[in-house]
Amino acid sequence: NAGVTQTPKFRVLKTGQSMTLLCAQDMNHEYMYWYRQDPGMGLRLIHYSVGEGTTAKGEVPDGYNVSRLKKQNFLLGLESAAPSQTSVYFCASNRHTLAGAYEQFFGPGTRLTVL
Amino acid sequence: AQSVTQLGSHVSVSEGALVLLRCNYSSSVPPYLFWYVQYPNQGLQLLLKYTSAATLVKGINGFEAEFKKSETSFHLTKPSAHMSDAAEYFCAVSSLTGGGNKLTFGTGTQLKVEL
Repeated sequence: NAGVTQTPKFRVLKTGQSMTLLCAQDMNHEYMYWYRQDPGMGLRLIHYSVGEGTTAKGEVPDGYNVSRLKKQNFLLGLESAAPSQTSVYFCASNRHTLAGAYEQFFGPGTRLTVL
Repeated sequence: AQSVTQLGSHVSVSEGALVLLRCNYSSSVPPYLFWYVQYPNQGLQLLLKYTSAATLVKGINGFEAEFKKSETSFHLTKPSAHMSDAAEYFCAVSSLTGGGNKLTFGTGTQLKVEL
């Protein structure tokens, strides 16, 4: 199993450009998440999905869009990149649960710089 | 709303010394609590989790944490630090309310291990 993979690993954008980050998981997980990590701020949830075809906003959704057309993939889009979106982006996934809490599995991250 | 506070953004210990990383949480419902570790330029890896089965939780690499409801704490400890423990550590709280299994992270503690 590859677990959670993210594409690309690094990217440099100019202000106003657009891009899509791809997250893929091969664990048949129902739930998927996108976080951003900034120094001194921990990880903050951008958007998440509880199943194929569903998405929801997290703590910091402005400037981002997401899609979950296939269960194994979760895409994060930046339509018009801004320097404030310079960050490290992590994707995570976990199993659906009615009781208890399953750990989230994280990808290796995408380091994005917006000039 | 739930939140996590990690006291001390940087902790330095000598090799062989006790490691103590502090985490306090706030949650309106019984919490699920996690400690994750992040090595440089990598994603997050689960160290241990509390899901109400036992208040003393043992994790990987010799780490353990004790859930204390009266103190709303979930501090991470390791009796003897090793150079390979140098990393950033994140405490997180989870709630099953509102769909998904969303995690709220603390701001992280960078652990430095010195000879």
